[in-house]
Amino acid sequence: KQEVTQIPAALSVPEGENLVLNCSFTDSAIYNLQWFRQDPGKGLTSLLLIQSSQREQTSGRLNASLDKSSGRSTLYIAASQPGDSATYLCAKNDYKLSFGAGTTVTVRA
Amino acid sequence: DTGVSQDPRHKITKRGQNVTFRCDPISEHNRLYWYRQTLGQGPEFLTYFQNEAQLEKSRLLSDRFSAERPKGSFSTLEIQRTEQGDSAMYLCASSLLESGGFNTDTQYFGPGTRLTVL
Repeated sequence: KQEVTQIPAALSVPEGENLVLNCSFTDSAIYNLQWFRQDPGKGLTSLLLIQSSQREQTSGRLNASLDKSSGRSTLYIAASQPGDSATYLCAKNDYKLSFGAGTTVTVRA
Repeated sequence: DTGVSQDPRHKITKRGQNVTFRCDPISEHNRLYWYRQTLGQGPEFLTYFQNEAQLEKSRLLSDRFSAERPKGSFSTLEIQRTEQGDSAMYLCASSLLESGGFNTDTQYFGPGTRLTVL
C-alpha cells in the first residue's frame, strides 16, 4: 500500500512559470509533512517542514500547504528558475519518514 | 557546520562479499536514521537510533543487515553476503529530538553511499 503519492511523476515548465507540486497521503493522522529536494545522484535537502498543527510554511519563493482533512499537501515554487530543476519529494514524518516517489522538475531556460 | 557525512560515497563489490558503511551525524543530534533508495523511488526507512539504542527495524532489514551506533555518535550499517538486489543508495539522516518534543524533528540527510553489487 502506497502511503504517500506524488503526481505527476515529471513536469517541464519554461523559466518564470510558477510550479505546483502535489502530494497526497492515506493516513490523515499524520504528525508532520516534510518537503525535500534531491539533485541527481545526491542526498536530500530539506526544504520545508509543516507541523500537523500548521496549515502552511513559507521560505523565500517556496510555500507549502497542508490539508489533513483531504490528505493533501502542495508545494508552490514561484517564478521558477533553471536552478530549480531537481526531484522534489514529500514525506510523512511520524518520527520515520514515508516518502512519495517524487516529481522530477525541469525548468527550461 | 559540518552536516551529515557518509563514507564511502561509492562502493562496488562482488556478490557474496560483506560491506560496511559509516555515517557521522550532526554532532548534537540524538536521532540517527538509515534509509535505502532505489532508482526512481523515494527512500525507504530501514532503522533508527535514539542515542545508542536501536528503536526500530523495518521488515526490509533482513538478517543480513546489521546497524550499530555504539557510543551514540557515528553509526555503521553492515551488509553480509551481498546480493544484486542490495544495489541501491544508502542514506543516513540525523535529527535532534528535544526534551519534551514529539515528532517535530526535521531530518537532515547525508550525501549517501551508492552500492553496486556485481
